[in-house]
Amino acid sequence: AQKITQTQPGMFVQEKEAVTLDCTYDTSDPSYGLFWYKQPSSGEMIFLIYQGSYDQQNATEGRYSLNFQKARKSANLVISASQLGDSAMYFCAMREVNFGNEKLTFGTGTRLTIIP
Amino acid sequence: DGGITQSPKYLFRKEGQNVTLSCEQNLNHDAMYWYRQDPGQGLRLIYYSQIVNDFQKGDIAEGYSVSREKKESFPLTVTSAQKNPTAFYLCASSISAENYGYTFGSGTRLTVV
Repeated sequence: AQKITQTQPGMFVQEKEAVTLDCTYDTSDPSYGLFWYKQPSSGEMIFLIYQGSYDQQNATEGRYSLNFQKARKSANLVISASQLGDSAMYFCAMREVNFGNEKLTFGTGTRLTIIP
Repeated sequence: DGGITQSPKYLFRKEGQNVTLSCEQNLNHDAMYWYRQDPGQGLRLIYYSQIVNDFQKGDIAEGYSVSREKKESFPLTVTSAQKNPTAFYLCASSISAENYGYTFGSGTRLTVV
């Protein structure tokens, strides 16, 4: 079963509009972390935002915010006032720790294209 | 500046050959990871290491091998047993048990010719 599900393979958004990228996850561990990464065409992975499972408030980093709904097991990324430079692949990922071993599992990604 | 260096950026391999991808970090991170990315796909974990001289298989370890003799270095060998090695390989590191993000290298694109 998929641990991280991103159901939007691609999205097109008008510049300056807000965009929401969906992410649902599956874990039975009470302690976990959720990440969003941006991958431009150069291939590097750029960390955007982090949400811990025990965090009471939704994480925010500049134009990025994470809409964390724990009961629904969703962690959607919201980008406000989109810019042309936001065009990239976006990956949701979950950190789990099992018997002291920590690993990060990724979804299949969403390709976001910002239209001028 | 601290970071992760992956080399080479592009690598071509003949079928039946082993190749080794380099990953070096100067961040003093304990944990290091190797991921594989196929076109249009997410990242899949190959191997990871929490401490020196110890490593664990990830989800797709078959046909790969690693070593962790130094904290700074985590080389990945793609063996001839890997049936479809053409992919983009990313190395990452993290401070274990910390909440902030992992640091990734710029990747190596491996092509079998």
